Order: sequence, then C-alpha cells, then structure tokens
Amino acid sequence: AQKITQTQPGMFVQEKEAVTLDCTYDTSDPSYGLFWYKQPSSGEMIFLIYQGSYDQQNATEGRYSLNFQKARKSANLVISASQLGDSAMYFCAMRERSNTGKLIFGQGTTLQVKP
Amino acid sequence: DSGVTQTPKHLITATGQRVTLRCSPRSGDLSVYWYQQSLDQGLQFLIYYYNGEERAKGNILERFSAQQFPDLHSELNLSSLELGDSALYFCASSPDRVIDSPLHFGNGTRLTVT
Repeated sequence: AQKITQTQPGMFVQEKEAVTLDCTYDTSDPSYGLFWYKQPSSGEMIFLIYQGSYDQQNATEGRYSLNFQKARKSANLVISASQLGDSAMYFCAMRERSNTGKLIFGQGTTLQVKP
Repeated sequence: DSGVTQTPKHLITATGQRVTLRCSPRSGDLSVYWYQQSLDQGLQFLIYYYNGEERAKGNILERFSAQQFPDLHSELNLSSLELGDSALYFCASSPDRVIDSPLHFGNGTRLTVT
C-alpha cells in the first residue's frame, strides 16, 4: 500500500506567489515524523522542514510552512513568495518509530516557477 | 553542505561488471541508509546500518551488498550489473533512528551501466 501520496506530478507558480504542494500519508503508528525534501536539477536532496505527529503547531522554516492536518493525514508544504530558485522536485517523506527509522518517500512533485 | 560525502560522483561501467560506492556519514552519525533513485521506481530504500550492524533491508537485490566499517563509513557493492541498475544512489545519515531527526543526504553517485 502506498504510504506517501503526492498527487501532483507537476505544478507551475508565478514568481512571488505562494504555492501549496500536497501530501497525504498512511500509517497506523501513533509516532511518526513527516519531512519535505527539495531536489534541484543538480540532484542533491535538501532537507526543508519537519513535522512531528505530536506537534500541536504547524512547522515553519523561513518561506516554508507545513499545513499539518492529522485527522486527514495530510502534510502539505506551502512555499510563500516563490523564487526562481525554488524550481525543483519536492518530496514528502515519513519516518515511523516502528519501522527502523527509514524514510519512506512519495513520488514527488516537480515545481516550476515562472518569471 | 549536508556533511555526508559520497564517492565517486559519476560511474560509467559495462554490464556484468562490479562497482563499489562509498559513503562517509556526518560526524557523529551512527546510522547510514542507502537509497536508489530511478525514473520508474522513485526513491527506494535499500539497506540500513547502525553502528556497524545491518538493521534493515529494503528492496535490495541479491547482487547488491553493503557494509558499515568501524569508522562508520559505508560501502555499497553492486555486482553483475544490468542496464536496469542505472540510477542515482544516495547515502544518508542520521544520529540514530529517532523519528524527529531528518536524514541528511550525500550528493549521490550517478551510475550508468552501458
């Protein structure tokens, strides 16, 4: 069963606008962590933001925020004031306490920022 | 810079050959994870080591093996290579397996099998 689902293969956003990248997850473990990574065309995987399953508030890191809706099992990434350098592939991922701590990734969303 | 070092960056080899990919984790990180990224399969977990011991296996082929050495660096060995093994191979490290700690990824080794 797919544990992490990213339904948007590709997205476009105008420079300086905000964009939301969707992520839903599936787990029966009460303890888990949700992560977003950015992969530019150069290939490296860059950690962006983390949300814990017990966190009461949505995580924020600079222009990145995570819209965490636990009951819906969704963890959408919001990028505010998009920049050309935000053009990349974005991956949602999950670590479960019961599952060796490995990261399980979604299929990714390609974001293109238009000038 | 994530602090995780992978070598080589690129590797081109022929079918049937054997290669070794090397990973040095961030200083202090005991956990090393290997992932394979291909266009059709996405990011797939291969294997996980903690402080020198294998802790979990994922979708790793029998032709592939890995180990983590006492100095905590890790190597991924790929043998009898096939065209389908062409992919980007990542190593990632974290201090342990706690769920609030992100995995920090190296820049990957891009393997091309011809």
